[in-house]
Amino acid sequence: DAGVTQSPTHLIKTRGQQVTLRCSPKSGHDTVSWYQQALGQGPQFIFQYYEEEERQRGNFPDRFSGHQFPNYSSELNVNALLLGDSALYLCASSPGTGGYTFGSGTRLTVV
Amino acid sequence: AQKVTQAQTEISVVEKEDVTLDCVYETRDTTYYLFWYKQPPSGELVFLIRRNSFDEQNEISGRYSWNFQKSTSSFNFTITASQVVDSAVYFCALSEGDTDKLIFGTGTRLQVFP
Repeated sequence: DAGVTQSPTHLIKTRGQQVTLRCSPKSGHDTVSWYQQALGQGPQFIFQYYEEEERQRGNFPDRFSGHQFPNYSSELNVNALLLGDSALYLCASSPGTGGYTFGSGTRLTVV
Repeated sequence: AQKVTQAQTEISVVEKEDVTLDCVYETRDTTYYLFWYKQPPSGELVFLIRRNSFDEQNEISGRYSWNFQKSTSSFNFTITASQVVDSAVYFCALSEGDTDKLIFGTGTRLQVFP
């Protein structure tokens, strides 16, 4: 049973560019959350998707947007990249009753 | 406001020593959940335990044990007879009853030397 799958694993982008990160949730999970983890810090909640709608959002600017597809997979988009957006981006899925399963993340480097 | 504090940035022990990782939380809610996650170098957060605010029973799972004390707002994690494979960053996290959002501490890096 595959867990949470994220792609790509690593990514290098230039300041000002746009990036899309992808997440496939664990089988049976319908809720997807995204977190940003800067080096040496704990993960910070970006937003959560359920039934293709953004259900909750953390303190992130509108440059961060997302989408959930009918098969529950999700994308995280970041526009106008800043150097400070360099981080590990983690996707977590759950069946809606807690019990989050995290992926291994996408390491984004902005140069 | 919600907050999780892990005051220990890094701990180094020798194999077979016991080690306790501290976690102090702040919340105004009476219903909340506390978590511990392990993050090995691969980056994936591995779930260890979830505890709700109404269950203060301590828990033991193999070499792992957790001490939840509402009176001091603490949820400490002890590894007994540590092993090299326990080396990782450990995160304590909080979610309040009406949200699935996890609030993480800054983590404690545990290094276990042979």
